[in-house]
Amino acid sequence: NAGVTQTPKFQVLKTGQSMTLQCAQDMNHNSMYWYRQDPGMGLRLIYYSASEGTTDKGEVPNGYNVSRLNKREFSLRLESAAPSQTSVYFCASSIQGVTDTQYFGPGTRLTVL
Amino acid sequence: KNQVEQSPQSLIILEGKNCTLQCNYTVSPFSNLRWYKQDTGRGPVSLTIMTFSENTKSNGRYTATLDADTKQSSLHITASQLSDSASYICVVRHGSGNTGKLIFGQGTTLQVKP
Repeated sequence: NAGVTQTPKFQVLKTGQSMTLQCAQDMNHNSMYWYRQDPGMGLRLIYYSASEGTTDKGEVPNGYNVSRLNKREFSLRLESAAPSQTSVYFCASSIQGVTDTQYFGPGTRLTVL
Repeated sequence: KNQVEQSPQSLIILEGKNCTLQCNYTVSPFSNLRWYKQDTGRGPVSLTIMTFSENTKSNGRYTATLDADTKQSSLHITASQLSDSASYICVVRHGSGNTGKLIFGQGTTLQVKP
């Protein structure tokens, strides 16, 4: 099992450009999450999907959109990137909700110039 | 305000030595507390989970303690190895049922030197 995979690993964007971060899990988990990690701060939840077909805002959703394409895949889109979105983005999944252990992907390091 | 504070921010120890990382939280209602290990350039990996009724839990050389009365947890690493160099993140689950929320600490960066 590959667990949680994310693409790309690194990305550099110019202000105003758009991009989609891809995430897939092969553990048959129902719930998936997107976090951002900034220096000196804890992980912050951007969006989550409790189950296929549902998505909800987390702590810092502004400037992002998500799509739960199917049970395996959960993508994060930046429509018009801003320097404040420079961060490391992690996707995670769990069997069902926050009751269960979250399994994290390797992260995407995004720089917005 | 629901918060998780970790100390120290960073720590350097020699290989073979023990160390203890601290986590204080003000999360209420409390559901459980996890410690994650995050290697550089990787995603966090769960080490332990502790519920309200548990005081101590071990995972190999890692031992976590929880004092729910004082809202403190610690992670003790015994006989440290170079591979223990990582960030350690304390995460407290707020709320109950399946709609609870996770509150992440900022992490403690541990460097083990030979």
